[in-house]
Amino acid sequence: DIQMTQSPPSLSASLGDKVTITCQASQNINKYIAWYQQKPGKAPRLLIRYTSTLESGTPSRFSGSGSGRDYSFSISNVESEDIASYYCLQYVNLPFTFGSGTKLEIK
Amino acid sequence: QVQLKESGPGLVQPSQTLSLTCTVAGFSLTSYNVHWVRQPPGKGLEWMGVIWNTGGTRYNSALKSRLSISKDTSKSQVFLKMNSLQTEDTATYYCARDNYFDYWGQGVMVTVSS
Repeated sequence: DIQMTQSPPSLSASLGDKVTITCQASQNINKYIAWYQQKPGKAPRLLIRYTSTLESGTPSRFSGSGSGRDYSFSISNVESEDIASYYCLQYVNLPFTFGSGTKLEIK
Repeated sequence: QVQLKESGPGLVQPSQTLSLTCTVAGFSLTSYNVHWVRQPPGKGLEWMGVIWNTGGTRYNSALKSRLSISKDTSKSQVFLKMNSLQTEDTATYYCARDNYFDYWGQGVMVTVSS
């Protein structure tokens, strides 16, 4: 199974900051990584697939990059509505596996 | 529009079988795969299994002996059955579409308790 090591577990940012979350896969995942936002009591929402493709409706302040085993997800100009947990997912091989999540808080 | 909605019992007794239904709209189960994902309270997401558009299935090896996923294409429904439930199976259960989970159901909270 591919392990996804996500960091940091939590982030505290000020409004307008840029924040970055990373996921490292235990093997090459050929850019098959997606990023999700989850607000309390809600289902996850797909923001980015295939490393950097923004889903319809995803604000342009969200971005993704990476290759091989190392990937990152960034939010520029953090807004209050971005308070949530964020998860990465590798979907190159079954079993699909998620990162452990990053909780974003506002200072 | 695309929708998925899970339904099932909110409370299951230990050692019993969980049966959940995912009813979909806006797409055909013959064209898209449907996955099940669960999330224990306050914890992360776990992939459980998938039913392919062709009808084949794959399961998380940790659950394989207890889990079964099937579907009724004519009714646009996907079914999850998991037996021998224990308290650690308490979680919100989600169904999600396609291999990058572009659409999710709202989730159904299942508590395993006597």
